[in-house]
Amino acid sequence: KNQVEQSPQSLIILEGKNCTLQCNYTVSPFSNLRWYKQDTGRGPVSLTIMTFSENTKSNGRYTATLDADTKQSSLHITASQLSDSASYICVVRFYYGGSQGNLIFGKGTKLSVKP
Amino acid sequence: SQTIHQWPATLVQPVGSPLSLECTVEGTSNPNLYWYRQAAGRGLQLLFYSVGIGQISSEVPQNLSASRPQDRQFILSSKKLLLSDSGFYLCAWQKSANTGELFFGEGSRLTVL
Repeated sequence: KNQVEQSPQSLIILEGKNCTLQCNYTVSPFSNLRWYKQDTGRGPVSLTIMTFSENTKSNGRYTATLDADTKQSSLHITASQLSDSASYICVVRFYYGGSQGNLIFGKGTKLSVKP
Repeated sequence: SQTIHQWPATLVQPVGSPLSLECTVEGTSNPNLYWYRQAAGRGLQLLFYSVGIGQISSEVPQNLSASRPQDRQFILSSKKLLLSDSGFYLCAWQKSANTGELFFGEGSRLTVL
């Protein structure tokens, strides 16, 4: 069964600290993995995409990693800011022959950055 | 540049009343369009998707329906709302045949009382 599991469910850190969010998936055949950031009451916005051949990709203070062998991804946030408070959603795409129902969403990690 | 508009932003409706949420996309043509629902503490659930005018596919049986009367317009409807229809509804678009990035609208918060 295609599944995406994220951990932790929620996380509270102090401003300026680093944190790492985890995403484990059982999706097959794998196409790509995206991390989205969703501010409270807003729509998600893509942060980064990881394909099978990519191990690490950075977007500012966000660094995503992918281990296709163990089917794990992480999102590392460096020097956190108050504006990083949001839910982070891991979405895995698998080959389905179309673009309609081939995305599996994790439930997200809710990050709270405190001053 | 492409933009997506979704309205209304918030809605409070009594049980049994009708619903209409509207979504329009600008700056692109023939997008794939999606309606998702996000319940509190849960992941996004795909409700409907459309690859073209008049072409609607449903992922989850429910009392909701969707329509695509124009290329860049996607409407989510219900004839009679249930309490369980409460949630955060997100419209999204995707370029045809790309790496799968979804561009989401701002969402519509529906509360059914």
